[in-house]
Amino acid sequence: QLQLQESGSGLVKPSQTLSLTCAVSGDSISSGSYSWSWIRQPPGKGLEWIGYIYPSGSTYYNPSLKSRVTISVDTSKTQFSLRLSSVTAADTAVYYCARYASGKYYFDYWGRGTLVTVSS
Amino acid sequence: EIVLTQSPGTLSLSPGERATLSCRASQSVSSTFLAWYQQKPGQAPRLLIYGASSRATGIPDRFSGSGSGTDFTLTISRLEPEDFAVYYCQHYGSSLFTFGPGTKVDIK
Repeated sequence: QLQLQESGSGLVKPSQTLSLTCAVSGDSISSGSYSWSWIRQPPGKGLEWIGYIYPSGSTYYNPSLKSRVTISVDTSKTQFSLRLSSVTAADTAVYYCARYASGKYYFDYWGRGTLVTVSS
Repeated sequence: EIVLTQSPGTLSLSPGERATLSCRASQSVSSTFLAWYQQKPGQAPRLLIYGASSRATGIPDRFSGSGSGTDFTLTISRLEPEDFAVYYCQHYGSSLFTFGPGTKVDIK
């Protein structure tokens, strides 16, 4: 059974960089059949897709966040990561990692999410 | 960029009633790229429907999806207590994903 688990700092100061990692277990992160995504949800609001990465390292980002986002993958550690720079209070959200199957166009497995608060 | 609009924002119904949720795209999209999720408080979203009308593994048959072009519908034939939640539609296009704002189904 595939499992995804987010981890990282729960509190980030404004203007600093948010860093999260998603550990993948139960399947190979190196499979070319899947890509690995980050999605966030501000408290009481809807879902916002951030971006995804293929095991090859190719990335696609939400245009509204593209200038601040970096997603990377470490296949040897079966994990992928999110970095979001120059954060503000508007970046406070629950951050989810999720799997997207190539050719399937939806997210079939999700982590439980981790709350990141931006505050001084 | 495709924009998804969901209506109504909130749907107040009683258990056993039928729920009809709408998702409208700002331009015509392929049904292949339209999915629905259910989210309960404190939980991650759960995939319900993909390809506009195919149920995901383990999803009860009271959930059904339909539609084409710009108008898509999620129907819950008879609401069970565990169905009261927020529902999101999602589109994939040009290597990008978009979510609708959600419809909350609450108990009347």
